[in-house]
Amino acid sequence: GEDVEQSLFLSVREGDSSVINCTYTDSSSTYLYWYKQEPGAGLQLLTYIFSNMDMKQDQRLTVLLNKKDKHLSLRIADTQTGDSAIYFCAETKAAGNKLTFGGGTRVLVKP
Amino acid sequence: EADIYQTPRYLVIGTGKKITLECSQTMGHDKMYWYQQDPGMELHLIHYSYGVNSTEKGDLSSESTVSRIRTEHFPLTLESARPSHTSQYLCATRGGERSGGYTFGSGTRLTVV
Repeated sequence: GEDVEQSLFLSVREGDSSVINCTYTDSSSTYLYWYKQEPGAGLQLLTYIFSNMDMKQDQRLTVLLNKKDKHLSLRIADTQTGDSAIYFCAETKAAGNKLTFGGGTRVLVKP
Repeated sequence: EADIYQTPRYLVIGTGKKITLECSQTMGHDKMYWYQQDPGMELHLIHYSYGVNSTEKGDLSSESTVSRIRTEHFPLTLESARPSHTSQYLCATRGGERSGGYTFGSGTRLTVV
């Protein structure tokens, strides 16, 4: 079956880089996503990557995909206190299919 | 401005009551989803719809029911609320955008006492 796993918690100092890791088991995953959830809110799509890509950069966000190891990471450069949130990775086999989410990583940014 | 709306944001209700959580979207998307998010943060898909008159159960068994009479609305109903239903309920829609990602509502935090 499909399984997406993340570490539960990450603490980082303001201004440092954060790296959030995710592993998945379905080798046929086509789209991989990172969502951010702030307290009391819904999920916000941060970025996504297609499985035929290795890397995608969008301002402070860098997504790395190692398809061989089924490993996805999100790097946040110059982490700010506003980046404190829960981050979910998710995967799907094709656009239109339901997403499978990881359990979420709670990121705490310390001043 | 949000394109997907959930009401109410917060609801505290007594055991045995019937409740309906509303979800509406203005994007004209066919695909809509309900997720239940427990205090441990995990998201569990409980219902989804691929269009009008289409509803399917998700990965997590739920005592709730849904309907999709109109594209814009995807309400979720609990006939008899119990404390075990206390959770956050998130509605999402998915359109034809290339990213294939979901757009989520702000959620309804339900507490059954």
